[in-house]
Amino acid sequence: NAGVTQTPKFQVLKTGQSMTLQCAQDMNHNSMYWYRQDPGMGLRLIYYSASEGTTDKGEVPNGYNVSRLNKREFSLRLESAAPSQTSVYFCASSVLAAYNEQFFGPGTRLTVL
Amino acid sequence: DAKTTQPPSMDCAEGRAANLPCNHSTISGNEYVYWYRQIHSQGPQYIIHGLKNNETNEMASLIITEDRKSSTLILPHATLRDTAVYYCIVRVAMNQGGKLIFGQGTELSVKP
Repeated sequence: NAGVTQTPKFQVLKTGQSMTLQCAQDMNHNSMYWYRQDPGMGLRLIYYSASEGTTDKGEVPNGYNVSRLNKREFSLRLESAAPSQTSVYFCASSVLAAYNEQFFGPGTRLTVL
Repeated sequence: DAKTTQPPSMDCAEGRAANLPCNHSTISGNEYVYWYRQIHSQGPQYIIHGLKNNETNEMASLIITEDRKSSTLILPHATLRDTAVYYCIVRVAMNQGGKLIFGQGTELSVKP
């Protein structure tokens, strides 16, 4: 099992460009999450999907959109990147949204110039 | 979710036990204590959780005081690979939203 995978690992964007971060899990989990981590800080939840077909906002959803493509995949889109979105993005999954044992991917390091 | 307080940093000698404290004085009766760690540049990793009894798994032990206002994560024989930031999170076991709130955590440095 690969667990949670994320692509790309690194990305540099110019202000105003768009991109999609991809996340996939092979653990048959129902719930998936997107977090961001800024230097020296803890993780903050952007969006989550409790189950296939549903998505909900987290703490810091502004500037992002998500798509739960199927049970395995959950993508995060930046429509018009801003320097404030420079961060490390982590995807996670759990059996159910009610469970607090989440499994995290390796992260995507995004720099917006 | 109850607030947690952890020391910002700790050192531990390789091979010795690492004891990481966490204060959660406002914990309520249905809230569990969860521990995660984040090794540099990697995604967080779940370690262990407990309600009121001490818990042990292959990674660590969790000791929760009788009044549940504090807990200690114990890594029995710390290795250099245990150098990481350790997060203590207090949360109800079954909840809506699955939002884990990661505070600043404790940066554990295991030294040779």
